[in-house]
Amino acid sequence: DGGITQSPKYLFRKEGQNVTLSCEQNLNHDAMYWYRQDPGQGLRLIYYSQIVNDFQKGDIAEGYSVSREKKESFPLTVTSAQKNPTAFYLCASARRDQPQHFGDGTRLSIL
Amino acid sequence: KNQVEQSPQSLIILEGKNCTLQCNYTVSPFSNLRWYKQDTGRGPVSLTIMTFSENTKSNGRYTATLDADTKQSSLHITASQLSDSASYICVVSFVSGTYKYIFGTGTRLKVLA
Repeated sequence: DGGITQSPKYLFRKEGQNVTLSCEQNLNHDAMYWYRQDPGQGLRLIYYSQIVNDFQKGDIAEGYSVSREKKESFPLTVTSAQKNPTAFYLCASARRDQPQHFGDGTRLSIL
Repeated sequence: KNQVEQSPQSLIILEGKNCTLQCNYTVSPFSNLRWYKQDTGRGPVSLTIMTFSENTKSNGRYTATLDADTKQSSLHITASQLSDSASYICVVSFVSGTYKYIFGTGTRLKVLA
C-alpha cells in the first residue's frame, strides 16, 4: 500500500536533547512538508521540500532542522533550541495541485 | 493577510441528523480549496477538493460547496454517523512563488447516539 509512515508515534524529549522524527513516503511525491499542530490552532508549517537536496523554512522553523537526501525521506530534528516542543507533528507529501497526503503523526512530549 | 476561518469551533449533533460546517477565506490568488477529516490522534484525510470553477463536490455523505465570489465554502454532512466524530479542516491553496497551503483551525464535530 502506498502512503506516508511517521515514527515513532510517541516520543519523549529530555531537556537539552535533540530528537529526530522520521517521515517516509512511497507515493513518489516530490514535495514533502512538516507541520506542527497545537490544540485550538491550525496546522503551522515548519519546513518543506520541493525536491531532493533542497528545503525551505516555513512559518515556525526556529529550533527545528531537516534534511532531504532521498526523495522518500524527510526527517525532522527538534533541537534543544526549541523551547516549547510539546505538540503533535504531522508530515505530508503531495504532487503539485493535488491534496496533501498526511502521516499519522508523532506526539512529542517533554520529560 | 491570507487567512482561513472556520465556524463553528465545535458542534454536537445527534446521530442521523444533518449538519453544515462553514469556511471563509481571504486567500489570493486562489488555487483550490480542500476539506479534510481528522480523527483524534491521526493525520488528516482528504474529503474533497474544489477549484475556482467548481461549485459543489460530493464524497458519499459529504458535500462541499464553494462560492468563489464571496470566498465561502461549506461542508454538509448528511445522515450523520458516530464515525463522523472528528475535526474537519478547510485548507486553501495559492501560488506565490511556490505552492502554499493555508489551514483553518478546524471544526470539532461530536455525533452522539
